[in-house]
Amino acid sequence: DSGVTQTPKHLITATGQRVTLRCSPRSGDLSVYWYQQSLDQGLQFLIQYYNGEERAKGNILERFSAQQFPDLHSELNLSSLELGDSALYFCASSPRAGGSYNEQFFGPGTRLTVL
Amino acid sequence: SQQGEEDPQALSIQEGENATMNCSYKTSINNLQWYRQNSGRGLVHLILIRSNEREKHSGRLRVTLDTSKKSSSLLITASRAADTASYFCAATMDSSYKLIFGSGTRLLVRP
Repeated sequence: DSGVTQTPKHLITATGQRVTLRCSPRSGDLSVYWYQQSLDQGLQFLIQYYNGEERAKGNILERFSAQQFPDLHSELNLSSLELGDSALYFCASSPRAGGSYNEQFFGPGTRLTVL
Repeated sequence: SQQGEEDPQALSIQEGENATMNCSYKTSINNLQWYRQNSGRGLVHLILIRSNEREKHSGRLRVTLDTSKKSSSLLITASRAADTASYFCAATMDSSYKLIFGSGTRLLVRP
């Protein structure tokens, strides 16, 4: 158990809908990262937050947004869902914003299925 | 697309044998981390090696890093059936420290 929690574990929804994925980082970690894992794209970085502020952005679609709250939990919002958004969404956390010893620990993931 | 490439893509060995997986990347890195993933589940952090380190050990795991060749290897010694999983390397390459993942190696350890 990494200490990172994600809810829900599974989500099944229809095209065009909007969903919210939630992540609670390990105690004491200030950075939260979101990654997407799909069969065709592999594991891809979406976005990072550090202590409530957006830190880095990756291949995140405009239909997707995220935020980190004062209690450091984070939410990833996916809207106007398409079939191709079906994937495993992982959250990871680390103590710092960066640094050579900044290990990232992953949550169990949310499996999103868009029908 | 991913920056890292791993080989082999799949590896099948007998329990007790050693397993070696390789990872190559394209640009300078800050650090490189190895993760294990069991069939569609979460990623388990195995080991981190910094760009100025050449070798690290953790239990039955040995990781090497050759920055001149832009490559890393993960050795699992005395493999067990429970080691069956996909293994990913992931590098941080710039000031953002986001992880760039390789394509992964699927390891099957036969009992």
